[in-house]
Amino acid sequence: LAKTTQPISMDSYEGQEVNITCSHNNIATNDYITWYQQFPSQGPRFIIQGYKTKVTNEVASLFIPADRKSSTLSLPRVSLSDTAVYYCLVGASNQAGTALIFGKGTTLSVSS
Amino acid sequence: SAVISQKPSRDICQRGTSLTIQCQVDSQVTMMFWYRQQPGQSLTLIATANQGSEATYESGFVIDKFPISRPNLTFSTLTVSNMSPEDSSIYLCSVEEGGTQYFGPGTRLLVL
Repeated sequence: LAKTTQPISMDSYEGQEVNITCSHNNIATNDYITWYQQFPSQGPRFIIQGYKTKVTNEVASLFIPADRKSSTLSLPRVSLSDTAVYYCLVGASNQAGTALIFGKGTTLSVSS
Repeated sequence: SAVISQKPSRDICQRGTSLTIQCQVDSQVTMMFWYRQQPGQSLTLIATANQGSEATYESGFVIDKFPISRPNLTFSTLTVSNMSPEDSSIYLCSVEEGGTQYFGPGTRLLVL
């Protein structure tokens, strides 16, 4: 499974846009890119998933360049409640039985 | 998305005892996964559980220590056997649905 690299931590202020970039140089052709958010004492929560170009939902946007060796999670106008750990994962979502392997994640701290 | 519940939500146990954690899903799913998250760390996959077959364990995890049952498509249990303080962690159940993994709230275990 492709290994991912993302910053250990990031700081931001309320109302700012936050972009978290993840590197996955060895991504396979059938791998999808998925981002999760985890608050303390809770299980990871699915944010967004994509294969290429741009994906947007009510929570975030995911930008994936043509070579797919990296991806960027964009959180618009963050609030204090967005303080959490964000995980970038790659894996074949259509391959039954293949569990996602977690890296260290990025701890985002949002201040007022 | 699948709704997952776990019991107990937390427990404090004595070393040498065993604890069984239950995972219930509100829909039928083929694949279920068990993860462990030690304090301040990322998630580590313990095993993959497919209904009707033996669980598949990751390197470093064995069936004698973490026996898993998967009696039907909505339920699974993970037992942490002969516990030691090193087993103090959050244990999370996860399912795959529609190509995406969803996580339960976790069971916080403290072994004294």
